[in-house]
Parts: sequence; structure tokens; C-alpha cells
Amino acid sequence: AQKITQTQPGMFVQEKEAVTLDCTYDTSDPSYGLFWYKQPSSGEMIFLIYQGSYDQQNATEGRYSLNFQKARKSANLVISASQLGDSAMYFCAMRAAGGSYIPTFGRGTSLIVHP
Amino acid sequence: DAGVIQSPRHEVTEMGQEVTLRCKPISGHNSLFWYRQTMMRGLELLIYFNNNVPIDDSGMPEDRFSAKMPNASFSTLKIQPSEPRDSAVYFCASRRSRETLTDTQYFGPGTRLTVL
Repeated sequence: AQKITQTQPGMFVQEKEAVTLDCTYDTSDPSYGLFWYKQPSSGEMIFLIYQGSYDQQNATEGRYSLNFQKARKSANLVISASQLGDSAMYFCAMRAAGGSYIPTFGRGTSLIVHP
Repeated sequence: DAGVIQSPRHEVTEMGQEVTLRCKPISGHNSLFWYRQTMMRGLELLIYFNNNVPIDDSGMPEDRFSAKMPNASFSTLKIQPSEPRDSAVYFCASRRSRETLTDTQYFGPGTRLTVL
């Protein structure tokens, strides 16, 4: 079975500072993909970044990077130089072949960026 | 390119009424997913289709819920009769391929359903 755990229900960060959102996962499948999505107050789910289990390097997309620690089964999202528009819910998700490629989502972390 | 399109964006109905939610996936995507999001239960997968065929409907809460995908560009989620506990945001998402890890799943804007 697949499981995603996001232990931080809420996070606060000062504008222009970096913030790390935690995500741990559990799977027995050696081949899997990890995703992060952003959900602003408007409600849409926006794809941010992807990390494959066999990728040698941590994924980066602009101000987003994924701190992938395979042995610890963690895939933390790092947002550098936070902006007010980064205030949103953030969801970590995983997909594995053993799970029939059906994605499993965490409960999310609410991020508030203060000016 | 147009993203996943959902309609209506908001629906308010009375208990007992039939509700139909609609989704148009991204062209060329052959996997389609219906999710329900509530504060209490988070994001739940209701059903997913691959090449218009339902693959896993184990998340459909009960017989009042049904979903169809008559062709590659259209899907519906129907609730009949609706109940207040069905109030939630319903998302449709699509993905290019079923059996890969890298293909990204793209979400529609969601339908906010309120059942009075």
C-alpha cells in the first residue's frame, strides 16, 4: 500500500525567505514518482514539480526544488524567496507501478506568506 | 492549449435532486480521474477511466454516484439523489498515459457543489 504523510498542517514564512514543506512516503515499490501541487484560495490544483525514484539529481523548477532523500523516504518541497502569491495549500502525491499508477495524495500543508 | 474543462463551476441544489457534473479532458490524454475534496476527508479518488473504460471505481461512495465516459473528450459524474453530505468540490483530472510514472496529472478548476 502507498501512503503519503504531510505532518505540517500549517506553516508561516516571511516574504523573501525560504520555506520547506515536509512530505514522507511509504511504498514497497522500487519505481515511483513524487509530485507536488499547489492549491491557492481560488481552488484549482496546479502542478509544481516531479521527482522520479531513479532520478539522480533533485528536481528543480524555478523557485521550487525538491529535497529528495530516498533512504529516509522523504520528498520535501523547498520554496526559495517566498512571495505573497505563494500563500496556498500544498499537496504531496505519489504514484507507483505497484499501485496501478493511481496517485495517492497527502492531506496538504497550508502555507501563509507574511509581508 | 486548453486545460481540463469542468462545468458547472458552482452548483447549488436541493436534497433529492439529480446533479450532473461534466468534464472535458485535455486532448490526447487517455486517463481521466474524478476526485472529491472536503475539509474532513481531503482529496479522495472516486473513479478513474483509461481509454474511456472505468478501471477503478472503488472510491465511489455509494450507488447514488455514477460516472460515464462515452468518448475520449467527455465524462460525467452524476449524483442521484443528492444529499447534503455530498457537498464538496469535485475535481476532474486527466493524464496522457496510464502506465508511466512521469506523465503529469492535470486538474480542472473544480465544481463546488452545495446540496441544501
